[in-house]
Amino acid sequence: NAGVMQNPRHLVRRRGQEARLRCSPMKGHSHVYWYRQLPEEGLKFMVYLQKENIIDESGMPKERFSAEFPKEGPSILRIQQVVRGDSAAYFCASSPPLAGGTTETQYFGPGTRLLVL
Amino acid sequence: AQSVTQLGSHVSVSEGALVLLRCNYSSSVPPYLFWYVQYPNQGLQLLLKYTTGATLVKGINGFEAEFKKSETSFHLTKPSAHMSDAAEYFCAVSGRSSASKIIFGSGTRLSIRP
Repeated sequence: NAGVMQNPRHLVRRRGQEARLRCSPMKGHSHVYWYRQLPEEGLKFMVYLQKENIIDESGMPKERFSAEFPKEGPSILRIQQVVRGDSAAYFCASSPPLAGGTTETQYFGPGTRLLVL
Repeated sequence: AQSVTQLGSHVSVSEGALVLLRCNYSSSVPPYLFWYVQYPNQGLQLLLKYTTGATLVKGINGFEAEFKKSETSFHLTKPSAHMSDAAEYFCAVSGRSSASKIIFGSGTRLSIRP
């Protein structure tokens, strides 16, 4: 069973360009989470999605950032008009369908390291 | 609201010595607690987690952590450090409701001296 896949692993963009980060959850997982790790900091929650639904986007910046998890295909984190402050590692995690309403373990991907020049 | 405080952004121990990484949490609801390890340029790997039951939790690679409600702590220990333990360690907390988001501490970088 392959783990959580993220691509690209490294992404370089110039200011003003768009960045698209992809996440394929583990097989059988229907929940996806995105986290951002700024240099020398811990991970900060951004958004939680289920198939075709955004469940919690309380950590998403109000502008330029969006996320989706379509019925088919990977989850996409999209950053429009990138700025240097967007440079960070973006991690995706997935978890299986919930059992009994309890929190399930989240499995993390290797991350996408975004560098904005 | 939940938060995590990791005391010491950098800890250095000698090979074979005890490893102790400190973590205190704040939570208005009974928490789930986690320790993750991150090796350079890699993702996070779950070391161990506390959900319910026994307060001493054993994880992978010889690590363990003890949930102390009275002290709101979840310190990570390993009796004897190995060079391969050098990495960044993150303590984290989540609620118990469906698919709660995980709140991470700022991390502790563990260095091992030969």
